[in-house]
Amino acid sequence: ETGVTQSPTHLIKTRGQQVTLRCSSQSGHNTVSWYQQALGQGPQFIFQYYREEENGRGNFPPRFSGLQFPNYSSELNVNALELDDSALYLCASSLETGRTDTQYFGPGTRLTVL
Amino acid sequence: GENVEQHPSTLSVQEGDSAVIKCTYSDSASNYFPWYKQELGKRPQLIIDIRSNVGEKKDQRIAVTLNKTAKHFSLHITETQPEDSAVYFCAASIRRWVTGGGNKLTFGTGTQLKVEL
Repeated sequence: ETGVTQSPTHLIKTRGQQVTLRCSSQSGHNTVSWYQQALGQGPQFIFQYYREEENGRGNFPPRFSGLQFPNYSSELNVNALELDDSALYLCASSLETGRTDTQYFGPGTRLTVL
Repeated sequence: GENVEQHPSTLSVQEGDSAVIKCTYSDSASNYFPWYKQELGKRPQLIIDIRSNVGEKKDQRIAVTLNKTAKHFSLHITETQPEDSAVYFCAASIRRWVTGGGNKLTFGTGTQLKVEL
């Protein structure tokens, strides 16, 4: 098992609400990536944070935003929730050295939007 | 953007047989290709990866081959065991091998592998 943790495990929200998901990266890692995994699909890249700065973004609207803190933990915020936002949200931490950056995934947060 | 296609979507083999999963990618600039295994209700776990400067990589019963000209790569599992049953995802990225270069993984849609006794 990796040292990547996520909270909460499960979350139920209603359409239009806002949600914050949290990720604690593995010790020594400086990069966190967020992915959305719909049921039966592969993970889709949302964005990546490297040393507290956004370092790449996928095709997600601005209502998906994030933060990375000095200890390299991270938050994913989603505003104005839509039904299609229901999914498993995975974070992955890695150590970006320029030579290796294997991404280690957390257990995910299952978000249900009603 | 990058697009990764993965086949088959389901694969059933007998214990001890080999399993092969194939992926194709669209962006010829992609240079990093990891494979992840995801058991039901669990996190994806890296099982093997390959860079574009290598054509084949092996780790015990698992091997990955890469054909850059055809833009496809494959996962080979030999002597399959029941514990190999899971969903397998391939992924591709354009990796800039500098510190902070970023690594946006584009995943395939997954292959449900079932190893039957």
